[in-house]
Amino acid sequence: GAGVSQSPSNKVTEKGKDVELRCDPISGHTALYWYRQRLGQGLEFLIYFQGNSAPDKSGLPSDRFSAERTGESVSTLTIQRTQQEDSAVYLCASSLAFSVQGPNEQFFGPGTRLTVL
Amino acid sequence: AQSVTQLDSHVSVSEGTPVLLRCNYSSSYSPSLFWYVQHPNKGLQLLLKYTSAATLVKGINGFEAEFKKSETSFHLTKPSAHMSDAAEYFCVVTHTGGFKTIFGAGTRLFVKA
Repeated sequence: GAGVSQSPSNKVTEKGKDVELRCDPISGHTALYWYRQRLGQGLEFLIYFQGNSAPDKSGLPSDRFSAERTGESVSTLTIQRTQQEDSAVYLCASSLAFSVQGPNEQFFGPGTRLTVL
Repeated sequence: AQSVTQLDSHVSVSEGTPVLLRCNYSSSYSPSLFWYVQHPNKGLQLLLKYTSAATLVKGINGFEAEFKKSETSFHLTKPSAHMSDAAEYFCVVTHTGGFKTIFGAGTRLFVKA
């Protein structure tokens, strides 16, 4: 079946503009994560959605970052007034809900490469 | 609080020799631990996971990892490296019942012919 998809694959924007990144999770996956990966670095957790529960926003680096998800479907990550330090690959992942054994495997999308000039 | 430290940013081995990628974690709760691999220009893929069952976990492509609570370690090993193993490897921690996922900085594995 289809995996996690993200769009756009690449985005070049000017400093100060707003951008919106989209993630389509695997159907039936109730959990959805957003991460940021700067060049040569590991993944930085941004936000987590689980079903209709309140999202865990503890990883968002500033109030310029926000994310939404309606039910168990598409999610959008919005970055307002972009800065050059926002340049990174933004990865989305989805998974089944937690089992009694703990968290399930996350399936990652290909990412959106954001470049802020 | 949770954290994960990958002790080597780069590891270089010869094809056919053993691989050891080191990971130490810190968690206030009972941790769940994962190793993911990222091949160049490809997405992240799960290698294996530990979630409080057997301490020796076997994954795909001949990799395995051992959870050692006394050492707070979860090192990844493989008996014999293949050229196709060259990639970036990430150790990941979350706690059972929790959501926030912490990735290590990654270890880049080079395999020489």
